[in-house]
Amino acid sequence: GAGVSQTPSNKVTEKGKYVELRCDPISGHTALYWYRQSLGQGPEFLIYFQGTGAADDSGLPNDRFFAVRPEGSVSTLKIQRTERGDSAVYLCASSRPSGREGLNEQFFGPGTRLTVL
Amino acid sequence: KQEVTQIPAALSVPEGENLVLNCSFTDSAIYNLQWFRQDPGKGLTSLLLIQSSQREQTSGRLNASLDKSSGRSTLYIAASQPGDSATYLCAVRGEHASGSRLTFGEGTQLTVNP
Repeated sequence: GAGVSQTPSNKVTEKGKYVELRCDPISGHTALYWYRQSLGQGPEFLIYFQGTGAADDSGLPNDRFFAVRPEGSVSTLKIQRTERGDSAVYLCASSRPSGREGLNEQFFGPGTRLTVL
Repeated sequence: KQEVTQIPAALSVPEGENLVLNCSFTDSAIYNLQWFRQDPGKGLTSLLLIQSSQREQTSGRLNASLDKSSGRSTLYIAASQPGDSATYLCAVRGEHASGSRLTFGEGTQLTVNP
């Protein structure tokens, strides 16, 4: 596809359940990012992958959150023992590799709206 | 820690007006600044990216400026249209160890009335 895609678009789950959110980046983009956006707020950084490895996971709020990118393309964000406070829109973005950081424009997917009841 | 502030939080204007959205950031050590548009219930659409060495970027009716030393950026929208109604977000990419991340402001919600 031409852009970043995310599935599902909406996910409703019960407190305590496990969820997986998927992101397909733009083809050829080696950098992939996850952000979380609460209502009325700007997105907040969660984790950044360069290729298969998590280069920066300092934004993950706690150890219930985990993300993988085993083949350097698709990424899955995993949330264990979900809590009502996890309800938000989870956004994925990707960017081209570049030796000049200033040129790394990030392109965002439509997001997954997670609701924890 | 980088902090990004956007003023005003909301803005309502009649169609045809020129308008300016403001963004300020606390740490001037940035690689770039991006302006995004977000429609209700949708993801982010990148509008303009300004590299730290640049002063401004233009795309159609949009012009974004960057004053890195003072930590400010503006997004100028000329001849506004109802279709411009959306939330506008600015985000900076810092130079520090976690320089991969974008730090966002809370956005300006723009309404252009016909």
